[in-house]
Amino acid sequence: GESVGLHLPTLSVQEGDNSIINCAYSNSASDYFIWYKQESGKGPQFIIDIRSNMDKRQGQRVTVLLNKTVKHLSLQIAATQPGDSAVYFCAELTGGGNKLTFGTGTQLKVEL
Amino acid sequence: DVKVTQSSRYLVKRTGEKVFLECVQDMDHENMFWYRQDPGLGLRLIYFSYDVKMKEKGDIPEGYSVSREKKERFSLILESASTNQTSMYLCASTTYGATNEKLFFGSGTQLSVL
Repeated sequence: GESVGLHLPTLSVQEGDNSIINCAYSNSASDYFIWYKQESGKGPQFIIDIRSNMDKRQGQRVTVLLNKTVKHLSLQIAATQPGDSAVYFCAELTGGGNKLTFGTGTQLKVEL
Repeated sequence: DVKVTQSSRYLVKRTGEKVFLECVQDMDHENMFWYRQDPGLGLRLIYFSYDVKMKEKGDIPEGYSVSREKKERFSLILESASTNQTSMYLCASTTYGATNEKLFFGSGTQLSVL
């Protein structure tokens, strides 16, 4: 079956370092991907998205990379801050579909 | 900013009770969704709705029903709560468009069924 998954359940980084959170997807028909951030006690919040006709997209301190050849998505956070500590989810939307499929999430812990 | 409000942050119910989870959004969004979130399983779609009085089953609709009588309100109903429905429930909304699939989430309702 189709699935969206994350390689690592927990990622610990030092404050100021760059973080890379990975996501694998198996549905080659997926054409839209989103990263969400969920802080403790809150609902997920949109971070950045990317369509399948792009390889890279940059936001403020965040970059999403899409490698369609190996069906891999990554979220890069530059100069990680304590406020970045959260669970990060990737989600995919298949062409013509009206709902997103979420991965299981990666817990990012920022160490001071 | 879009606001999605879930009526309860924490809820404790007994097995067999009928449970209503309410969600209201203030941005006139057409689409509304109910997810449950469990550790290690991520977010799983229960039901969604594209318009008033419309509903569609998601991936795990068993044991749940929904109601959308008004555009801004989407209710999740557990007809007879069971312990395996203990979970975090998240409501979300979005406007439908070719370039905007971003979901706006509420803060969630942590339901415990004893």
